[in-house]
Amino acid sequence: SQQGEEDPQALSIQEGENATMNCSYKTSINNLQWYRQNSGRGLVHLILIRSNEREKHSGRLRVTLDTSKKSSSLLITASRAADTASYFCATASGYSTLTFGKGTMLLVSP
Amino acid sequence: DGGITQSPKYLFRKEGQNVTLSCEQNLNHDAMYWYRQDPGQGLRLIYYSQIVNDFQKGDIAEGYSVSREKKESFPLTVTSAQKNPTAFYLCASTLRQTGSYTGELFFGEGSRLTVL
Repeated sequence: SQQGEEDPQALSIQEGENATMNCSYKTSINNLQWYRQNSGRGLVHLILIRSNEREKHSGRLRVTLDTSKKSSSLLITASRAADTASYFCATASGYSTLTFGKGTMLLVSP
Repeated sequence: DGGITQSPKYLFRKEGQNVTLSCEQNLNHDAMYWYRQDPGQGLRLIYYSQIVNDFQKGDIAEGYSVSREKKESFPLTVTSAQKNPTAFYLCASTLRQTGSYTGELFFGEGSRLTVL
């Protein structure tokens, strides 16, 4: 069963703008992760946030986690055309596996 | 360089045939996973293995089989019993999970299977 649901399904912005993607989930988690997938390629891990953390930064990425609302957001600042990809959230709930959402397709136009 | 290698990248199969997808890693990871991805969809877990000679079914194991005879290798067989096998298959690995913690997954580049 898919735990995380990303929103929006697709997002189109101009270079230099910020991109925000949201993820909602249903059950308690011990961590939440964000991954990126370029078309036809494997997934690449971006960032992991634990259930006792509220915010985490990595370069131009900022992730927040609100366990009371069972939601997370990924912010990409100053987007570049090379950021064009699909972004997935994945939740870890204690069974040694990750459950992925359906992803947000991000298009960054030059 | 360390990483995960999946082969073949593209595979065509006739209905009724079994096919085996290869996944090899040299990251010294204990846990390995197989996911299936359909167009516009997220990843769905087929099988996973946390240790050699042991594996567990995921959410969509029917029509698939795996083996884990070596730490480095986790091949997936798509059998003729899988009714809709055309999909993109992704293998991943991670360090052995302790307790309820699941860490970062490292993915291969995927194998695209098309049934003719």
